[in-house]
Amino acid sequence: QQPVQSPQAVILREGEDAVINCSSSKALYSVHWYRQKHGEAPVFLMILLKGGEQKGHEKISASFNEKKQQSSLYLTASQLSYSGTYFCGTTGGGGSNYKLTFGKGTLLTVNP
Amino acid sequence: EADIYQTPRYLVIGTGKKITLECSQTMGHDKMYWYQQDPGMELHLIHYSYGVNSTEKGDLSSESTVSRIRTEHFPLTLESARPSHTSQYLCASNQRGGDEQYFGPGTRLTVT
Repeated sequence: QQPVQSPQAVILREGEDAVINCSSSKALYSVHWYRQKHGEAPVFLMILLKGGEQKGHEKISASFNEKKQQSSLYLTASQLSYSGTYFCGTTGGGGSNYKLTFGKGTLLTVNP
Repeated sequence: EADIYQTPRYLVIGTGKKITLECSQTMGHDKMYWYQQDPGMELHLIHYSYGVNSTEKGDLSSESTVSRIRTEHFPLTLESARPSHTSQYLCASNQRGGDEQYFGPGTRLTVT
């Protein structure tokens, strides 16, 4: 089942913060976050495997609430290079934990 | 840096032609995937493989077929291309379920 991302699009000024949400109606084994710039392949940002576990890299971090089957991506003090489409991908448990099902994406635009 | 390659990068072909999109990775990954992505849209899994001689259909029905005779090679074939096949095709791989998926640069296919 496809995860639901919100918002669909967000426009920021450089230095502002943003939160992108990803929710699923099914139990999740993992949540993956990718960023894709126009005309390029998706680039991996992070994986969250355990409920409540928060992982981050510099000014981009994420959380995973296993109970609510939700994940949020936090972009702090956004930079122009953060622009792109952000996708969450989810895997279920058991034998389906190899396959990623992606959400529809959130288009992030950072303006000077 | 990920070592996963796709050829050709761009292909314009007439209706009814047979085409093969190539995907190779040098990381020794067992699991490989094919995604289809229309411009500005989400990624849809169309085929995946757990290892040599193992292939499965993905969540999105596709008229294409795949083979996995060697670990490093996962080609996708369309026996008779149609305009509805026009899209971007992305290949990805990882070693274990739940791991980061490494994406190739993609093949942009246009069927006239």
